[in-house]
Amino acid sequence: DADVTQTPRNRITKTGKRIMLECSQTKGHDRMYWYRQDPGLGLRLIYYSFDVKDINKGEISDGYSVSRQAQAKFSLSLESAIPNQTALYFCATSDYTGGAVAYTFGSGTRLTVV
Amino acid sequence: GENVEQHPSTLSVQEGDSAVIKCTYSDSASNYFPWYKQELGKGPQLIIDIRSNVGEKKDQRIAVTLNKTAKHFSLHITETQPEDSAVYFCAARSNAGGTSYGKLTFGQGTILTVHP
Repeated sequence: DADVTQTPRNRITKTGKRIMLECSQTKGHDRMYWYRQDPGLGLRLIYYSFDVKDINKGEISDGYSVSRQAQAKFSLSLESAIPNQTALYFCATSDYTGGAVAYTFGSGTRLTVV
Repeated sequence: GENVEQHPSTLSVQEGDSAVIKCTYSDSASNYFPWYKQELGKGPQLIIDIRSNVGEKKDQRIAVTLNKTAKHFSLHITETQPEDSAVYFCAARSNAGGTSYGKLTFGQGTILTVHP
């Protein structure tokens, strides 16, 4: 089984619908992240959580919300999807060992909003 | 906060040639610089990293160099092969306090294509 599992892998939804992307991990890491990838824009951080009680906004949090249900689970919600939220979404986890921050990414969720 | 710029955005080379991707960062206190490779349909995977107390690190055909004075670091791939074709991301670890501590900031990515 993958260390970081994202579901669904692909999703097409209509404008205005609420949608949830789920992420679970078996790494035992405290830190989890949600990124959005668009062509030419790299990986942009949406939200991150350093432990179950800690939630922080990233650089592009508008239109998104998150829930850290347990150490191993971190879900991303689009309350009312819009077409410009069409993108590839990645969940990642990390530990923090000295100066190194090793990220493990999931395989991504390709979301299309029509 | 930290800002990371990556160039070029696309790079095309012939098999066997070398490829170099460069990144600059803004926070002089950043002290950890990883590189990730993203293959089609997959998430990014760490391929090499370097800490600020080291100027160069090599792992087989890939190497990373760091110039702290100029605040830039580079990925070097020698003897490129078609399987090196992927998107490559550089990143820098924020040393800022508070909730940013330990968080990576990524560059925009480079699409590397190696032609047989």
